[in-house]
Amino acid sequence: DAGITQSPRHKVTETGTPVTLRCHQTENHRYMYWYRQDPGHGLRLIHYSYGVKDTDKGEVSDGYSVSRSKTEDFLLTLESATSSQTSVYFCAISGSGGDHSPLHFGNGTRLTVT
Amino acid sequence: DAKTTQPTSMDCAEGRAANLPCNHSTISGNEYVYWYRQIHSQGPQYIIHGLKNNETNEMASLIITEDRKSSTLILPHATLRDTAVYYCIVRGGGTSYGKLTFGQGTILTVHP
Repeated sequence: DAGITQSPRHKVTETGTPVTLRCHQTENHRYMYWYRQDPGHGLRLIHYSYGVKDTDKGEVSDGYSVSRSKTEDFLLTLESATSSQTSVYFCAISGSGGDHSPLHFGNGTRLTVT
Repeated sequence: DAKTTQPTSMDCAEGRAANLPCNHSTISGNEYVYWYRQIHSQGPQYIIHGLKNNETNEMASLIITEDRKSSTLILPHATLRDTAVYYCIVRGGGTSYGKLTFGQGTILTVHP
């Protein structure tokens, strides 16, 4: 695998609670991404980062925030989890977003909001 | 990014070549074709990508037509472990910041 660790791998939480998912990389790649995957929707981009403290929204960013204080860590936070955020979350990294280096994905975090 | 069209499902016998087609008729000149696959409950796995020339790596070959409106991913000797969903993605560079748009993909089933 591409040196990407997602934690936790599984989490069950209650509606209204805050949740933070962590993505850690050992590749020193500049770009990091958070996707979610749901049946019938494929993978959809939530947020991405193009450097330390540099982040931007993807197509489904409502209800999510991110932070990147170090090159190796990209955190995804659900401030107040809702049942619609039950999903599998994937982190990805790439060497550069401007050229055509491929994205490499972690093995995902399965989040259930009850 | 251009839209892609893939068959919903395909079958292949173990040991035979699997040829997965993809149409991307609206592809623009600076867009690359990428292939990923996803085995159940795992993260998508990068396979190969190309612009206009055919490409080959240790996993697969990518054949892009001269007009670039379609491509074929070839797994030369499919194994049971190649059973997965295969995604063909067209991706631009520049300010797209590496964003990938995943469609529904092709479910490839390799049978004994």
